[in-house]
Amino acid sequence: AQSVAQPEDQVNVAEGNPLTVKCTYSVSGNPYLFWYVQYPNRGLQFLLKYITGDNLVKGSYGFEAEFNKSQTSFHLKKPSALVSDSALYFCAVRDGGSQGNLIFGKGTKLSVKP
Amino acid sequence: NAGVMQNPRHLVRRRGQEARLRCSPMKGHSHVYWYRQLPEEGLKFMVYLQKENIIDESGMPKERFSAEFPKEGPSILRIQQVVRGDSAAYFCASSPGTSGGPYEQYFGPGTRLTVT
Repeated sequence: AQSVAQPEDQVNVAEGNPLTVKCTYSVSGNPYLFWYVQYPNRGLQFLLKYITGDNLVKGSYGFEAEFNKSQTSFHLKKPSALVSDSALYFCAVRDGGSQGNLIFGKGTKLSVKP
Repeated sequence: NAGVMQNPRHLVRRRGQEARLRCSPMKGHSHVYWYRQLPEEGLKFMVYLQKENIIDESGMPKERFSAEFPKEGPSILRIQQVVRGDSAAYFCASSPGTSGGPYEQYFGPGTRLTVT
């Protein structure tokens, strides 16, 4: 069965410092991986996805993610964190091919302090 | 291009009543997904629909829950005889058709159901 793990419930970062939010996955075929962000009382916003090709994927708001097949990881990164990046971040894997539902990790709360 | 629309945004029901949640996908999107988010948890898949077809309902509870996506109008998630454990945020997502995928899903703002 496909699954996603986000090992950290919370990540604290000072503004201006680099941030990393970790994600590992388990899939039976080709991994289709996604990152979403959720602000309080809002829906999820798409940040980026990995389908194939370059292992470094660039997305919205300056975020990027690095796909590592040998470590089955897809960590989200940003070189310089902003206070406004504080939110809940979800990693997800596509289930059942290109049109299947998403399987989400439990989420990581990112807190960026001034 | 309007995003995914969900209504109502907040819904309060007493135990035993019915809850109807509506979702209008983004223009041009023919695939709809429903997810449920319990407090302090991630989203859990419930059902995947295309127009007039249920493609995958493996995440739906066997009783009291049903979903449809008619040829005309929004997708509806229906919960009969609600219980307190149904209290959650319900999110709808949509994506385009199959060619050229896999596509990301675009999420609506959610409906927060409270059962009293």
